[in-house]
Amino acid sequence: AQKITQTQPGMFVQEKEAVTLDCTYDTSDQSYGLFWYKQPSSGEMIFLIYQGSYDEQNATEGRYSLNFQKARKSANLVISASQLGDSAMYFCAMRGLYNTDKLIFGTGTRLQVFP
Amino acid sequence: EAQVTQNPRYLITVTGKKLTVTCSQNMNHEYMSWYRQDPGLGLRQIYYSMNVEVTDKGDVPEGYKVSRKEKRNFPLILESPSPNQTSLYFCASRAGNQPQHFGDGTRLSIL
Repeated sequence: AQKITQTQPGMFVQEKEAVTLDCTYDTSDQSYGLFWYKQPSSGEMIFLIYQGSYDEQNATEGRYSLNFQKARKSANLVISASQLGDSAMYFCAMRGLYNTDKLIFGTGTRLQVFP
Repeated sequence: EAQVTQNPRYLITVTGKKLTVTCSQNMNHEYMSWYRQDPGLGLRQIYYSMNVEVTDKGDVPEGYKVSRKEKRNFPLILESPSPNQTSLYFCASRAGNQPQHFGDGTRLSIL
C-alpha cells in the first residue's frame, strides 16, 4: 500500500534561516510523482514543487528545493531564507504517474517562522 | 482566470438532509477529484475521475457519490449526511502529469 509519512507535527525556524521538512514514502510503483503543498491559515492549498521518480536532478522552485533520495524513499522539502509568510501547514503527497489520479497525502507539518 | 470553483464555501445542515457540493473547472482538465481534510489526518481522497463518465473510489468513499457527466463539473453528493462527515472538503483538477489545482474548500458542518 502507498503511504506518506511526515514525522514532524510542528517546526520552528527563525526568519532568514533555512529549514528542512521531512517526508518519507512507501510505494511499489516504479513511476510516481512527489509533491509538496502549502496550506496557509486562510485554508487554500498551494502547490510548491514536484519531483518525478525518474528525475535525476533535485527539483528547485525559487526558495524551495526538494532533497530527493530515492533509495531511502525520502523527499524532504528545504526552504531557504525563511520568511514570516512561510508560516503554514506543509503537506507532502505522492501519486502514480499512469492511469490514476490517486493522490496520497501525509499528515502535514506546521511551520512557524519567528522574527 | 484558471480556477477550480466550489460551492457552497460554508454549509451547516442536519443529519439526513441530502446535499450536493458543486465543483467546476475552466481549464479543460481531464482529471478531477474530491478530498476531505480532518485535523491530524491530512487530506484523504474520496473519489476521483479520469474523464467524463469515468470515476473511481479513493480511500474514503463511504457515504459519498459523484458523477462526471461533463468534463468541467464534478459534483460531490451526500445522500444522507451524518455528523462524521463534518469536514473541510476540497475539489481538485489537473491535466496530464501536472500537479492538482485545488479549489478554495467547502466547510461542511452536519448537526
